[in-house]
Amino acid sequence: QVQLVQSGAEVKKPGSSVKVSCKASGGTFSSYGINWVRQAPGQGLEWMGGIIPVFGTANYAQKFQGRVTITADTSTTTAYMELSSLRSDDTAVYYCARELGRYPFFGYWGQGTLVTVSS
Amino acid sequence: EIVLTQSPGTLSLSPGERATLSCRASQSVSSSYLAWYQQKPGQAPRLLIYDASSRATGIPDRFSGSGSGTDFTLTISRLEPEDFALYYCQQYDSAPWTFGHGTKVEIK
Repeated sequence: QVQLVQSGAEVKKPGSSVKVSCKASGGTFSSYGINWVRQAPGQGLEWMGGIIPVFGTANYAQKFQGRVTITADTSTTTAYMELSSLRSDDTAVYYCARELGRYPFFGYWGQGTLVTVSS
Repeated sequence: EIVLTQSPGTLSLSPGERATLSCRASQSVSSSYLAWYQQKPGQAPRLLIYDASSRATGIPDRFSGSGSGTDFTLTISRLEPEDFALYYCQQYDSAPWTFGHGTKVEIK
């Protein structure tokens, strides 16, 4: 059974960076895409980008290009999402989500990590 | 990017009633690459339907998906108390993968 466990809540200053981890257990880590989806308070879901660990190359939503970096460590079955130049509107719950099969819909989700950006 | 418009924004129904949720895409979603998720307060989304009409493992058969092209529907045949939640559609035909803004199914 696939489980995704994310790192804990973060409070960051505007202009700083945050790095959130997503530890996977069960299933095959390398072959399935791990994506990051965020949800601002009271808002909907927004896809940020994803990576297939065995290939190591990430794809990003244009909105986040240049500010987000998604990586994966196959030796520790952990994926990471780093977001830089944080602004107050980056305050959100950040989810990692694993693809169920060959296509980018998400059958497994982490518990979410609240990132609060405040001066 | 493909914009998904969900309607209605809120659906007020009683347990046992039928719920019909709509998701309309700004352009055709080929191969019916559309998924539906359920989200409850404080929880991560849960996959209900993928490929427009395939139920995910463990999802009760009262949930069904249909549609193609630009118009998709999630139907809950008889609402159970645990079905009152937010529902999102997502397309995975064309990057960036996008979600609708959600439909809230609330108890009338």
